[in-house]
Amino acid sequence: DAGVTQSPTHLIKTRGQQVTLRCSPKSGHDTVSWYQQALGQGPQFIFQYYEEEERQRGNFPDRFSGHQFPNYSSELNVNALLLGDSALYLCASSFRGVGLSYEQYFGPGTRLTVT
Amino acid sequence: TQLLEQSPQFLSIQEGENLTVYCNSSSVFSSLQWYRQEPGEGPVLLVTVVTGGEVKKLKRLTFQFGDARKDSSLHITAAQPGDTGLYLCAPLKSTFGDGTTLTVKP
Repeated sequence: DAGVTQSPTHLIKTRGQQVTLRCSPKSGHDTVSWYQQALGQGPQFIFQYYEEEERQRGNFPDRFSGHQFPNYSSELNVNALLLGDSALYLCASSFRGVGLSYEQYFGPGTRLTVT
Repeated sequence: TQLLEQSPQFLSIQEGENLTVYCNSSSVFSSLQWYRQEPGEGPVLLVTVVTGGEVKKLKRLTFQFGDARKDSSLHITAAQPGDTGLYLCAPLKSTFGDGTTLTVKP
């Protein structure tokens, strides 16, 4: 049973470009959350998708957008890249994202470097 | 956004020692989760605490949620090199604290 998978593993982009990161949730999960983890910091919540809609969003600008597909996989899009967008982008999946003790499983992340 | 402060930021100890790390906030949480993250990997969920005053044990790890649900602690007994990692706390669907980097030397 594959866990959460993310692609690509590493990515290098130039300022102003756009990037798309991909995530496949753990089998049986229907909810995907995205996080940004800068070096030396904890993950910051970007947004969560359930039933193909954005359900909750953290403090990130509109340059960050996402999508969830009918098979529950998800994409994170970042437009007009800034140097400060360089980070590890983590995807986490869970089942229905509800309840006080729901478990979410993280993928290994995509390391994005903006030059 | 609820601000979480974790302390200490770094901790280096010898195998067999005990340690406690803390997660504090001025906000009240409905629940709090603890994770461990190793280099090159995503965080792995250790436990979720929900009730004020709750204590949960996971082998040598003991997690406590404060009575007012504003803080939490993680105590490790007889630390082992395999406990080395970044320990993070987070409320559900929110930003994590910056974590405590623990190094356990053999």
